[in-house]
Amino acid sequence: AQSVTQPDIHITVSEGASLELRCNYSYGATPYLFWYVQSPGQGLQLLLKYFSGDTLVQGIKGFEAEFKRSQSSFNLRKPSVHWSDAAEYFCAVGARNTDKLIFGTGTRLQVFP
Amino acid sequence: GAGVSQSPRYKVTKRGQDVALRCDPISGHVSLYWYRQALGQGPEFLTYFNYEAQQDKSGLPNDRFSAERPEGSISTLTIQRTEQRDSAMYRCASSPRATDLGQYFGPGTRLTVT
Repeated sequence: AQSVTQPDIHITVSEGASLELRCNYSYGATPYLFWYVQSPGQGLQLLLKYFSGDTLVQGIKGFEAEFKRSQSSFNLRKPSVHWSDAAEYFCAVGARNTDKLIFGTGTRLQVFP
Repeated sequence: GAGVSQSPRYKVTKRGQDVALRCDPISGHVSLYWYRQALGQGPEFLTYFNYEAQQDKSGLPNDRFSAERPEGSISTLTIQRTEQRDSAMYRCASSPRATDLGQYFGPGTRLTVT
């Protein structure tokens, strides 16, 4: 069965510092992989997605993620965090033969000035 | 263009009442999904439609939950005889064709059963 693990429940960084949010998935084949961001009172916004090809994908708001098959990981990165990046981040996996997404439990990012 | 809209945004109901939650997807999107999100958790799949056909309802918790999309556009998720454990954020998403193009989420309906 598919599953997603986000090991870090809460991360705190200083504004301007680099960021890496971890995501590990369990799936027997190459999955679809997604990162979403949820700001307080807002819906889920799609940051980026991976289907195939280049394992480093670029998203909106300066985020990128790298698919590493050997580690079953799809970590989200940003070189310099802004205060407006404070939010909850969800990693999700989709199987290629279904249309449902399996989400992780999320990582809450706090940014200090 | 307009995104996915959901109504109502907030719903408080008494235990035992029926509720209907509405989702209006992005115009032209073929696929529509319902998820439920408990506090501190990620969204959990409930069901989805391609056009008007319900493709997968494996995530619906029990037979009190049902969903329809009769004309292939707006969808309604109905919960009969609500229970306190049904309290959650209910999220709708739509996609142009299938998951490989990404799912776009609405703001959600916060349901509270008292």
